[in-house]
Amino acid sequence: DTGVSQDPRHKITKRGQNVTFRCDPISEHNRLYWYRQTLGQGPEFLTYFQNEAQLEKSRLLSDRFSAERPKGSFSTLEIQRTEQGDSAMYLCASSLAGFPGGNTIYFGEGSWLTVV
Amino acid sequence: AQKITQTQPGMFVQEKEAVTLDCTYDTSDQSYGLFWYKQPSSGEMIFLIYQGSYDEQNATEGRYSLNFQKARKSANLVISASQLGDSAMYFCAMRPNTGGFKTIFGAGTRLFVKA
Repeated sequence: DTGVSQDPRHKITKRGQNVTFRCDPISEHNRLYWYRQTLGQGPEFLTYFQNEAQLEKSRLLSDRFSAERPKGSFSTLEIQRTEQGDSAMYLCASSLAGFPGGNTIYFGEGSWLTVV
Repeated sequence: AQKITQTQPGMFVQEKEAVTLDCTYDTSDQSYGLFWYKQPSSGEMIFLIYQGSYDEQNATEGRYSLNFQKARKSANLVISASQLGDSAMYFCAMRPNTGGFKTIFGAGTRLFVKA
């Protein structure tokens, strides 16, 4: 499978615990994005990497959230001290750089987080 | 501010018929891309079709076509010959070609295809 892969697909955690999600983008894609989606809504942008550099962060990304892409390949999204409001699906996506290829982003299947 | 509006929370269509899903957008950018994604119950966002703001022809991809009316800022998705497997959420999205890489999404339309 050469698409975007995410792990784990589902995570149930107690409030206050830390969780980490991993994303492996399409191999030749140097841009990587994280989105959050709650029920009944479209995805909301969280952050974006070009190679290993984190170039843009949404105000939605509070201090409890941190994302890394240490070698410009896979990325991790960590949520510390989880709250019930963090329950959502976390989507990772990737794209090529440049125009027009960089316009289209391809998503993984998402990681569902439930905070109890 | 940039915004995507999808005014149809849910739509029904009979199998084998065509259906149009509405999308309007608001942006001050002159150059941007418009997209449609399909999200089945499994959760994956599947890319369907792309239209560039300077493209003169409406984009088509198999049974999907994008009815792009730039002056009206609309980018409606037309699905021809609906199939049961088309039942899903559909999201319209936009990304400016300058000043950042954030793709913004509408709230989505749930399509139900009836046998």
